[in-house]
Amino acid sequence: DTAVSQTPKYLVTQMGNDKSIKCEQNLGHDTMYWYKQDSKKFLKIMFSYNNKELIINETVPNRFSPKSPDKAHLNLHINSLELGDSAVYFCASSQEETQYFGPGTRLLVL
Amino acid sequence: SQQGEEDPQALSIQEGENATMNCSYKTSINNLQWYRQNSGRGLVHLILIRSNEREKHSGRLRVTLDTSKKSSSLLITASRAADTASYFCATEKGGTSYGKLTFGQGTILTVHP
Repeated sequence: DTAVSQTPKYLVTQMGNDKSIKCEQNLGHDTMYWYKQDSKKFLKIMFSYNNKELIINETVPNRFSPKSPDKAHLNLHINSLELGDSAVYFCASSQEETQYFGPGTRLLVL
Repeated sequence: SQQGEEDPQALSIQEGENATMNCSYKTSINNLQWYRQNSGRGLVHLILIRSNEREKHSGRLRVTLDTSKKSSSLLITASRAADTASYFCATEKGGTSYGKLTFGQGTILTVHP
């Protein structure tokens, strides 16, 4: 009965590979987000979708492409992974101002 | 640039003591929120204070907001070892930035039993 779930929890991959992270929420929220948390724990928003429509798109390289097949899912696909992409990626959802976060996906690019 | 900056970066106290963390921000906001992150976990929402509020309480938490100084503080009273975590403030500007939270760097709180 997890509210916001992400898979995988850990992802170790080589530079240049393409990978996807999946997120699902069972809270019935309309809005979902992707955040990146770097090694210094700084958390920055990347994207936000409302009812499958992109509403926030921060200055993120276009190697990152979010996809929302329905309002309960927001996936993140990353092409041509770089060392600097190593971080923890968090998915979140909200109905109003409070955001509910997933457990995070720890990505390590070697 | 970062909207929220927190102070101190790290705080170490004994169980039963109070913990105070401060957050400063740069632009006008619609609301300010505090989140907790346990090691290796996601963030958990603690409390939200709107720009027209000055103080809010929730259990052992007390949050104040001073919009003239663009600052907020989070007080945890009678701390417990289980309060050990990182605490983040996040601001939301509202308007076209509705839903866009800008986080500070966080305060690492360690409560010793």
